[in-house]
Amino acid sequence: GQQVMQIPQYQHVQEGEDFTTYCNSSTTLSNIQWYKQRPGGHPVFLIQLVKSGEVKKQKRLTFQFGEAKKNSSLHITATQTTDVGTYFCAVSNSGYALNFGKGTSLLVTP
Amino acid sequence: GAVVSQHPSRVICKSGTSVKIECRSLDFQATTMFWYRQFPKKSLMLMATSNEGSKATYEQGVEKDKFLINHASLTLSTLTVTSAHPEDSSFYICSARSNGTRKNQPQHFGDGTRLSIL
Repeated sequence: GQQVMQIPQYQHVQEGEDFTTYCNSSTTLSNIQWYKQRPGGHPVFLIQLVKSGEVKKQKRLTFQFGEAKKNSSLHITATQTTDVGTYFCAVSNSGYALNFGKGTSLLVTP
Repeated sequence: GAVVSQHPSRVICKSGTSVKIECRSLDFQATTMFWYRQFPKKSLMLMATSNEGSKATYEQGVEKDKFLINHASLTLSTLTVTSAHPEDSSFYICSARSNGTRKNQPQHFGDGTRLSIL
């Protein structure tokens, strides 16, 4: 199935700073999904991108899908302590199961 | 919105015990459910795809005799970790897709089961 590489593995920012996590694939992706997992919790769906060059916003979160559909990013503007967690990108295979990236753990210091 | 209930949320038991985890779709039917495992500070890894009325499809390296999956109805899949050992300690999470969902629609995750084998 399609695989994704995600970087960075960890990010520690001061509250108010921006944060970006990246997902890359060597092959063209049919779609990409983003999830957030709080410590001790389960993954929560954030968004799905399907179209080449797609950009979607959710308040302070901006999601992009590359023109070649081989990369994606999640950008958080002016982080808050509530943004703490691990952000995963994931792609669904032909059977609809998800292949997750390794995740980026975000720590926000007040 | 769609809800997936997973039970129990936490299990602590002795080595050699078999543990059953239930995953229920509460307000939709799910022909297909998925079981994932997550080790501390690691990503989610797909273990198997549970298919209602047929055998589960296991990912490479996952022992089907160790992790028994039963999907007897459109709203319930169970994962039984047989003769669990400390190395089976992990966070197990199920997810489900509702029937008739368009391709690429999101899955709904259960809250997960934290399994600790002593």
